[in-house]
Amino acid sequence: RKEVEQDPGPFNVPEGATVAFNCTYSNSASQSFFWYRQDCRKEPKLLMSVYSSGNEDGRFTAQLNRASQYISLLIRDSKLSDSATYLCAVTDMEYGNKLVFGAGTILRVKS
Amino acid sequence: DGGITQSPKYLFRKEGQNVTLSCEQNLNHDAMYWYRQDPGQGLRLIYYSQIVNDFQKGDIAEGYSVSREKKESFPLTVTSAQKNPTAFYLCASSIAGGLVEQFFGPGTRLTVL
Repeated sequence: RKEVEQDPGPFNVPEGATVAFNCTYSNSASQSFFWYRQDCRKEPKLLMSVYSSGNEDGRFTAQLNRASQYISLLIRDSKLSDSATYLCAVTDMEYGNKLVFGAGTILRVKS
Repeated sequence: DGGITQSPKYLFRKEGQNVTLSCEQNLNHDAMYWYRQDPGQGLRLIYYSQIVNDFQKGDIAEGYSVSREKKESFPLTVTSAQKNPTAFYLCASSIAGGLVEQFFGPGTRLTVL
């Protein structure tokens, strides 16, 4: 089983739709969680950290479910510019601040 | 402006050659990392360094080498021992000692001819 798993998609949604991605992790001792956005042929950019209480930033909401070992990202009112690959990342405490990345979920927002 | 720079953006190498990828940061971060990304795959950790003059192997260190002589610099050498070096290489940095996010440079795309 992979340490961090994501549905690769692609998720094809119309503008204005609400879309949600999940990311499961295998190490129950993981303590920090992040969502990154990666545009084609570019570097990943931090979208948001995921806190135990959940957090929201505009149209984006991230949640953590420790019992089931997954994090989620909800995007409301999708824009064309949201089209990208979304990577989740989880810290591996065995190696300090090492991040383990999922392979990413592709989102395509269409008009 | 603070940030991470990588050079070159594109690099072409003949089989059997060693090449060095540059990574510089002016964020005053203690920790630096090198990742490799292949199409359709996530990032895989090659090497990381939590402090100057110290570094550790990641998951796929074979065929790579690094040095950390200065806080702001963490060059990666792809040696001829790396059997499949064509990939997108990403350098990242973070503050050390905490469960914190990493910030990435723009990457170097290496192609072996």
